[in-house]
Amino acid sequence: DVVLTQTPPTLSATIGQSVSISCRSSQSLLDSDGDTYLNWLLQRPGQSPQLLIYSVSNLESGVPNRFSGSGSETDFTLKISGVEAEDLGVYYCMQATHAPLTFGSGTKLEIK
Amino acid sequence: EVKLQQSGDELVRPGASVKMSCKASGYTFTDYAMHWVKQSPGQGLEWIGTIIPLIDTTSYNQKFKGKATLTADKSSNTAYMELSRLTSEDSAVYYCARSTLDAWGQGASVTVSS
Repeated sequence: DVVLTQTPPTLSATIGQSVSISCRSSQSLLDSDGDTYLNWLLQRPGQSPQLLIYSVSNLESGVPNRFSGSGSETDFTLKISGVEAEDLGVYYCMQATHAPLTFGSGTKLEIK
Repeated sequence: EVKLQQSGDELVRPGASVKMSCKASGYTFTDYAMHWVKQSPGQGLEWIGTIIPLIDTTSYNQKFKGKATLTADKSSNTAYMELSRLTSEDSAVYYCARSTLDAWGQGASVTVSS
């Protein structure tokens, strides 16, 4: 199975600060169809996960553009440019290139 | 509005089975596959499996083969997951999610206890 290693496990940020989360894969996530199925999800406290970014860098509809994704093959990054209070929660990367689909262990964002 | 409405929380005895539902609305049910995801208490997310309602095809995480059975009813736009031979390890919140991951159910908690 593909292992996704997220760092850091926890992140503490002030409002307005920019932060990055890393997701490293044990295998290349470049699919034979040319796409890379690496997604980012946010789970706010007591809520279901929600999709932020799909296929590395595509912003899901309705998601603020302070969120951005980048990377390729095995190294990926989620950046939040100017954290807001509503961004607190656990961020997960998730790959759908290889079966079984797998998730990273999560990065908990706390607001100082 | 796309919505996935899951059935309610369950308290079940060890060794029993439970079947939960996920009713889709706001889109054509057969246009998308449906994932099921497990979240154990205080833990991360695990993919259980996926069903393609259009052709009634399923794929499972090897870890959940024999534990989970996915079905779908096209006439009612509802996906189902049955969990069998329940143990304390199955106590968790279970989510359904549209294959594009842009819509998730609210989650259904299963507690296995005597």
